[in-house]
Amino acid sequence: DAGVTQSPTHLIKTRGQQVTLRCSPKSGHDTVSWYQQALGQGPQFIFQYYEEEERQRGNFPDRFSGHQFPNYSSELNVNALLLGDSALYLCASSLLGGAVNNEQFFGPGTRLTVL
Amino acid sequence: GESVGLHLPTLSVQEGDNSIINCAYSNSASDYFIWYKQESGKGPQFIIDIRSNMDKRQGQRVTVLLNKTVKHLSLQIAATQPGDSAVYFCAENKEGTSYGKLTFGQGTILTVHP
Repeated sequence: DAGVTQSPTHLIKTRGQQVTLRCSPKSGHDTVSWYQQALGQGPQFIFQYYEEEERQRGNFPDRFSGHQFPNYSSELNVNALLLGDSALYLCASSLLGGAVNNEQFFGPGTRLTVL
Repeated sequence: GESVGLHLPTLSVQEGDNSIINCAYSNSASDYFIWYKQESGKGPQFIIDIRSNMDKRQGQRVTVLLNKTVKHLSLQIAATQPGDSAVYFCAENKEGTSYGKLTFGQGTILTVHP
């Protein structure tokens, strides 16, 4: 068990709605990265939060936003949901911004289904 | 664009055999590579990593080989067990401004038959 927790486990939404996913990093970690994993694909980097700021961002539209709290936990928000947003959303935690050779620990993910 | 990909999407082996999973990458600037194992209903689990200044690294029952000349990465699993059945992903990272931003390949499904 890597110690990263995510909630909820599963979620069903309809097109146009908004969703908030939550992540608590492994104890002692200060950095949270979010990934989207479509069925049969590898995870795609969404963004990373460190020191309560978005440090890096992948090729995702502004409908995807996030937040990091002082206790290092994080939220991922997706607005105006599309069918294509259906995926497993993974949270990964690490230390010091996830620098090279700094292992990232993944949570079990939140399965989002958009109808 | 830059990508990390896999040659074989599926691999079936008998218990006790050695398994080899391959990965090709296109970004010559990549300097850190990681193999992850993902079981059904779980997040990716770190297996082993290697830096670009190394050609080989060994762990417990696993070995990662890096060939920078042809931009190829492989994961060797010795004496494969049914518990090794999972999807295996290679991922790459770069130093500098991309700390923590992993680029994953498509994945290989490994099935181990008892």
